[in-house]
Amino acid sequence: SQELEQSPQSLIVQEGKNLTINCTSSKTLYGLYWYKQKYGEGLIFLMMLQKGGEEKSHEKITAKLDEKKQQSSLHITASQPSHAGIYLCGAATSSNDYKLSFGAGTTVTVRA
Amino acid sequence: NAGVTQTPKFQVLKTGQSMTLQCAQDMNHEYMSWYRQDPGMGLRLIHYSVGAGITDQGEVPNGYNVSRSTTEDFPLRLLSAAPSQTSVYFCASSYPYRGGSGELFFGEGSRLTVL
Repeated sequence: SQELEQSPQSLIVQEGKNLTINCTSSKTLYGLYWYKQKYGEGLIFLMMLQKGGEEKSHEKITAKLDEKKQQSSLHITASQPSHAGIYLCGAATSSNDYKLSFGAGTTVTVRA
Repeated sequence: NAGVTQTPKFQVLKTGQSMTLQCAQDMNHEYMSWYRQDPGMGLRLIHYSVGAGITDQGEVPNGYNVSRSTTEDFPLRLLSAAPSQTSVYFCASSYPYRGGSGELFFGEGSRLTVL
C-alpha cells in the first residue's frame, strides 16, 4: 500500500493563480522531499524539509512540513507555464533507513 | 559534471529476453538505487545499495537482479523480461543519509517496453 498519499492527483490552474499540493504519510515522516518532473524527463530536486514546522521557499514555490499531521504542502504562487509538470513528494519513514518512498505524483497543468 | 548517467534511454524487448540497464555516477556516492515509475503508482523502489558489495531489496524486487562491484556503477538486470516490466526506470544516488537527511540525485530515466 502507498505510504505517501498525494492530493489532488491532478489539477488545472489558470496562469497567475495559486495552487497547493498535499502529501500525507501513514507513518512518521523523517525528511520530506519535493521533486518536479517534466513529462519524459528526470526528476528535479525542489527542496527538502526535516523539522516539524519547517518552511522553505524558492522563487514562487513554498513547502511546509506539519510533523503532527504527518503532512507536507507545496504551494505555488502566481503560477506560470513553467510550473507545469508532475510534482512528487518523497520521504523516509524510518530514522534508521536509507531508502525513500514516493507518492504517486500530482500532475499540474497551467492554462494561459 | 555528469551526475547520474543511465543507458540506454529507450529499449524495446520481446518477452523472455534479457537485458541490463546501466547506471553510473561520478559523485562518489555510496548509496544507489533503482526505481520504476508507472502511471498512477509513482516511484517504486526495486533494489538499493549502500556501498560496493552490498545490495538489498526494495518494494518490488521480483524479476530484477542487481550487483555493486564498484562505487560508481549499479546495473539492473532483467533476466527474462515480461510485459509487466514495461515501465520507466530511474537510477538515483546520494551519500548514505539515514532517515532522509540528504538529497537524492536522479538520472534521466530509461524507458523500457516489453512486447
